[in-house]
Amino acid sequence: NAGVTQTPKFQVLKTGQSMTLQCAQDMNHEYMSWYRQDPGMGLRLIHYSVGAGITDQGEVPNGYNVSRSTTEDFPLRLLSAAPSQTSVYFCASSYGSGYGYTFGSGTRLTVV
Amino acid sequence: RKEVEQDPGPFNVPEGATVAFNCTYSNSASQSFFWYRQDCRKEPKLLMSVYSSGNEDGRFTAQLNRASQYISLLIRDSKLSDSATYLCVVSGTSGSARQLTFGSGTQLTVLP
Repeated sequence: NAGVTQTPKFQVLKTGQSMTLQCAQDMNHEYMSWYRQDPGMGLRLIHYSVGAGITDQGEVPNGYNVSRSTTEDFPLRLLSAAPSQTSVYFCASSYGSGYGYTFGSGTRLTVV
Repeated sequence: RKEVEQDPGPFNVPEGATVAFNCTYSNSASQSFFWYRQDCRKEPKLLMSVYSSGNEDGRFTAQLNRASQYISLLIRDSKLSDSATYLCVVSGTSGSARQLTFGSGTQLTVLP
């Protein structure tokens, strides 16, 4: 049982490049979310999904896209990377409202 | 005002001490409450859910006061392995509020 798997673990991008952060879970969780963590800011919600085919914006969605074609996968796309997107990104999943979330080990992204 | 506020610490306590963390939340519609633990450069991990009646898990006791919108975590007989950042987390019942809202965390160091 792998839980929540994120790839890559580390990435350096140049300003303007695009990329996709991968997230997969094998727990049949309906809810999946993407957070970014910056020093002094805590974790902030980027996008979330409450089931396959359903996504919505969180607190800081600008510059990011998501899709949820399957229950298992929830990729996060950076459209045109900016230095302000340098952060640690966490994907998380849950059975639903009221349940705790399981987090992936994170992707450390640096945009230069 | 932040939705979830915590004393950032740091708290430096000797082994065996009892330490308490407090947290306040601003959204009175919040329905679910959690404490997460995050080790340095790792993902957050669920420590315990918090219920209105209060709940205990070994050395850890969590309390919720809905009227005051206040959550607490008590750690008894602190161990070196308890050193981490403790995150107060709340979630609601509709829209993006169903997702987790994190406090910025309280840093604990248990000293030998």
